[in-house]
Amino acid sequence: DTGVSQDPRHKITKRGQNVTFRCDPISEHNRLYWYRQTLGQGPEFLTYFQNEAQLEKSRLLSDRFSAERPKGSFSTLEIQRTEQGDSAMYLCASSSGTGASEAFFGQGTRLTVV
Amino acid sequence: KNQVEQSPQSLIILEGKNCTLQCNYTVSPFSNLRWYKQDTGRGPVSLTIMTFSENTKSNGRYTATLDADTKQSSLHITASQLSDSASYICVVSDPSGTYKYIFGTGTRLKVLA
Repeated sequence: DTGVSQDPRHKITKRGQNVTFRCDPISEHNRLYWYRQTLGQGPEFLTYFQNEAQLEKSRLLSDRFSAERPKGSFSTLEIQRTEQGDSAMYLCASSSGTGASEAFFGQGTRLTVV
Repeated sequence: KNQVEQSPQSLIILEGKNCTLQCNYTVSPFSNLRWYKQDTGRGPVSLTIMTFSENTKSNGRYTATLDADTKQSSLHITASQLSDSASYICVVSDPSGTYKYIFGTGTRLKVLA
C-alpha cells in the first residue's frame, strides 16, 4: 500500500447522469476526507469519516451528493443528476487520526460534466 | 469566518533564485499549519507541518516559518529548480478539531530556465 488511491482519474459525463468515485485510503488510516477543488482554488471540505461513521458533511454537499464508507476501509462518493457546476477535481485524503497527523491525498478524480 | 489567505497569487522566478510565499490566517484557536505542494492535476503533497509552538521547520530547500502571534506563516524556497513549479497551499487545522483543514487558495509558482 503506497498511498491513497482514487478511481477513476478522469470522468466525463453528460448532464443529468449519475457518477460514482472510489477512494482507497492508506490501510491503517481510520480518518477519510473528501474535498472538491475547482480551477485556481484551494480544496473545499465536503465530508469526513472516522472509520465507517460519517461525522460531518459540508453544506456544499447537496442532496444530490452521497458518500459512504461501509466497512471503514474504502469510500465512495456518488453524485446524482450531475450539473455543469459539479465539474471539479474531487480529492480524497486519509490520516491516522492522532493529534497533528498528516493527511495524505490521492491523485484526485477530475470530473467534467458536459 | 475562519480564513486562510495567501500571497502572491502567482509568482514567476528564474531557476536558482530564492522566493518567499506568504500565508495569513484568522483561524482561532489554532492547532497546526501545513504547507502543501500541488502539481497540476495531482493531489497535494505535504511539505511541512508546524504546531503553534514551532517557529520554523525545514524540509530540504523548503523552510517554513510561523508567527502565531501575528497569525502569519511563510514558505521560503532556496535555489529554486524547474520542478518547483507548482501551486503551494497553506492549510490550517479547523478549530473544531484537527480532522478538518481549511485551505488557502494557493500561490502558483513558475520557475523558468
